[in-house]
Amino acid sequence: SAVISQKPSRDICQRGTSLTIQCQVDSQVTMMFWYRQQPGQSLTLIATANQGSEATYESGFVIDKFPISRPNLTFSTLTVSNMSPEDSSIYLCSVVSGASNEQYFGPGTRLTVT
Amino acid sequence: QKEVEQDPGPLSVPEGAIVSLNCTYSNSAFQYFMWYRQYSRKGPELLMYTYSSGNKEDGRFTAQVDKSSKYISLFIRDSQPSDSATYLCAMSASSSASKIIFGSGTRLSIRP
Repeated sequence: SAVISQKPSRDICQRGTSLTIQCQVDSQVTMMFWYRQQPGQSLTLIATANQGSEATYESGFVIDKFPISRPNLTFSTLTVSNMSPEDSSIYLCSVVSGASNEQYFGPGTRLTVT
Repeated sequence: QKEVEQDPGPLSVPEGAIVSLNCTYSNSAFQYFMWYRQYSRKGPELLMYTYSSGNKEDGRFTAQVDKSSKYISLFIRDSQPSDSATYLCAMSASSSASKIIFGSGTRLSIRP
């Protein structure tokens, strides 16, 4: 399994500002993912963070709103830009274990936009 | 219709009971099935990972897949208060993690 940490664990932000969330993994992984989990709803994949290339975004999510960086095989950031109250959610990063193809999640970042 | 349906609960059972958690799905191409446990204010934790139909047992947990009925279950034997959490089912047609569809989760509470 992989050990994943996220920073910050939670934040309260004002409308119109941006927040960058960091995800650190204790081993090198090829695939990293960013999810959103809204209260009472299932996890929704935002994008796949690719090392050395642009992130791949899912339908409904765009790079201008959720820019992603992946500078190396153990680290990624997700920025939530120009925030509105609708962006209030838990943001999770996850990785896939290359050996088992099993997916592991970080503890999440709880974002509240006022 | 959602691709994956999961009763949100909450489900409350006494300690020691057998718990049955279920999901139904509509996509017959799903072949990979997973159960995650998520404690409050934590990320989901992978519990069980199965491929195709059949049963898989790990300690007090048994995952069951019935592809003919498009129905998966997670059984917890001798339930403990520490099992109180939200349980999410997840499934995929391919081994690619980018194609995993999650259920909305069932909130489980084990009463001491």
